[in-house]
Amino acid sequence: DAGVTQSPTHLIKTRGQQVTLRCSPKSGHDTVSWYQQALGQGPQFIFQYYEEEERQRGNFPDRFSGHQFPNYSSELNVNALLLGDSALYLCASSLQGAFSPLHFGNGTRLTVT
Amino acid sequence: RKEVEQDPGPFNVPEGATVAFNCTYSNSASQSFFWYRQDCRKEPKLLMSVYSSGNEDGRFTAQLNRASQYISLLIRDSKLSDSATYLCVVNPGPSGGSYIPTFGRGTSLIVHP
Repeated sequence: DAGVTQSPTHLIKTRGQQVTLRCSPKSGHDTVSWYQQALGQGPQFIFQYYEEEERQRGNFPDRFSGHQFPNYSSELNVNALLLGDSALYLCASSLQGAFSPLHFGNGTRLTVT
Repeated sequence: RKEVEQDPGPFNVPEGATVAFNCTYSNSASQSFFWYRQDCRKEPKLLMSVYSSGNEDGRFTAQLNRASQYISLLIRDSKLSDSATYLCVVNPGPSGGSYIPTFGRGTSLIVHP
């Protein structure tokens, strides 16, 4: 039973560049959520995708965008990178509904220089 | 008031000790609750779901107090391997038809010999 997989594991970019992160959900899951985690903080919700649509969005600028594909996999795109975008980006999959816990991938550690 | 609040700690305890963490939430309509464990620079992993009647898994006990809007995690007979950050997660109920789990900032536990 494949869990959530994310790629790449680590990424170094310079300010102003663009980045795409990828996520494949756990088998059987239909919902993908993206979180940003800065050092010493809890994960902050970016957005959630279900049925190939963005269902909810957290307090993040439009530079953050995403997509969900028919096979439920998802991408997170960040444009015009800032130093403050350096963080661990976590993808989590679940089933829709209040009682389905999130299952996380290993995360992508993004460093912006 | 933050949606989900945790004492960041660190809690520094000897092996064999019993330690308890509390987490308070602001939305009285919240529907589901979870505890996650996160090791340094790793992804969060589900530790326990928290049920209204309370639940136990080995040395770990989780309880929910809806009247006072908090959940707790009790760890008995602490092991060195319990050293980690414990994240409280609250599902605040549907928003636009979706459920967006909200994380606390985590409580750091250090178990020493």
